[in-house]
Amino acid sequence: KQEVTQIPAALSVPEGENLVLNCSFTDSAIYNLQWFRQDPGKGLTSLLLIQSSQREQTSGRLNASLDKSSGRSTLYIAASQPGDSATYLCAVRLSGNQFYFGTGTSLTVIP
Amino acid sequence: GAGVSQSPSNKVTEKGKDVELRCDPISGHTALYWYRQSLGQGLEFLIYFQGNSAPDKSGLPSDRFSAERTGGSVSTLTIQRTQQEDSAVYLCASSSSVQETQYFGPGTRLLVL
Repeated sequence: KQEVTQIPAALSVPEGENLVLNCSFTDSAIYNLQWFRQDPGKGLTSLLLIQSSQREQTSGRLNASLDKSSGRSTLYIAASQPGDSATYLCAVRLSGNQFYFGTGTSLTVIP
Repeated sequence: GAGVSQSPSNKVTEKGKDVELRCDPISGHTALYWYRQSLGQGLEFLIYFQGNSAPDKSGLPSDRFSAERTGGSVSTLTIQRTQQEDSAVYLCASSSSVQETQYFGPGTRLLVL
């Protein structure tokens, strides 16, 4: 069974800092990997989707990388803002239909 | 167009009662997923629908759980004889295809007393 781990579980940074969130997975035969954010009491919002053939994806201040061979992905957030405060989840999809989610990193950006 | 919607947003029920949770996916999306998010835990896959194919039910935790998708659109997740451990947020997501981004609804918060 695919195990997805996210480190750290919680992170607090001052506004303006660059930061990196980590996601690791045990089965490297993934189909794609997706990063989401979840605000308290809300559903998930997709941030970036990386196909297995890709190395990274960028959207605005966000950059996600994927290294299948080592079973790792990182989400880089540049110039963090208080509005970035949320829980960030990564999810990997194997060749079947199931997505495996990590337990998330809770990010707090302090003004 | 409108995003994924779910109803009810909150549901409180007594142990042993049946509940139905509804999901309206984004129009035209052929793939629909149900997940469960328990307090302090990650999302747990429950069931997946793709077009007219037989659903992937491999994530359903027990035979008390079932789901339908009528007309390839709206889906209903039914939990029979609810137990306290069924208390969680139930999230629905849809995508235009299995390769594409999943879009999530706001979830239904179920509390079983």
